[in-house]
Amino acid sequence: DTAVSQTPKYLVTQMGNDKSIKCEQNLGHDTMYWYKQDSKKFLKIMFSYNNKELIINETVPNRFSPKSPDKAHLNLHINSLELGDSAVYFCASSPISAPHEQYFGPGTRLTVT
Amino acid sequence: RKEVEQDPGPFNVPEGATVAFNCTYSNSASQSFFWYRQDCRKEPKLLMSVYSSGNEDGRFTAQLNRASQYISLLIRDSKLSDSATYLCVVNYDNAGNMLTFGGGTRLMVKP
Repeated sequence: DTAVSQTPKYLVTQMGNDKSIKCEQNLGHDTMYWYKQDSKKFLKIMFSYNNKELIINETVPNRFSPKSPDKAHLNLHINSLELGDSAVYFCASSPISAPHEQYFGPGTRLTVT
Repeated sequence: RKEVEQDPGPFNVPEGATVAFNCTYSNSASQSFFWYRQDCRKEPKLLMSVYSSGNEDGRFTAQLNRASQYISLLIRDSKLSDSATYLCVVNYDNAGNMLTFGGGTRLMVKP
C-alpha cells in the first residue's frame, strides 16, 4: 500500500503545453506539499496545503497552480511549460502533530523539450 | 549564500568506516533540524531529528551546535546500504511546515 502516490511517474512534453500531476496520500495527514528538485538536486518547497487551504506559497511562477479537492489529494497544474520547468516534482504529506515528518511520494520526472 | 550548505561529496569510504558530515545554516532564528536520506532516483526519507543535546539512533549520531550554526551526522560501522545522499534540513517557521533542504552530501560505501 503506497502511502503517498503520484501520477504520472514520468512526463515528457513540449514547451508551451499544459500538464497536471496528481498526488494522493492515504496516511490521514492534514498537510500536503509540492517540492521541486532541480538538476543540481536542490529540493525546494513550492506549496503547502493544510486541510485544503493554502498555507505556503513560495515564489513560484503563477503558471503553477495547485488544487486540493480534499485533504487526501493535492494536484499540480502547470500552464505554458518552459524548458526550465524540467525537474523532479515531489509531493509530500505530514501529520499536524509532526510537520517535519514529511512523507514523500516517488516523484514525477518532468522533461520539457 | 545558500541558507543550508553541505559539502556535496562524494565521500567514498570502505565498509566498517566511520564517516561524518557537516552542514551549516545561515539563519540564526532556525528552530529545528533534521537529516533526511535520499537514495538514487528515489524520494527523500526522514532519517532523524537533531536535538540540542545531540541524539543517537543505532549507528547514527546527530549533533547541533547553535553557536556556530552547524549540524553534524556521524555514521559508525558503515554498511553498503548506507550509500545514499544525506540531506541536511532546517526549519525556520513556528508551524514547522517549511523545511529548507541543503543540497545533500553523497556517501558511497565500498566493499
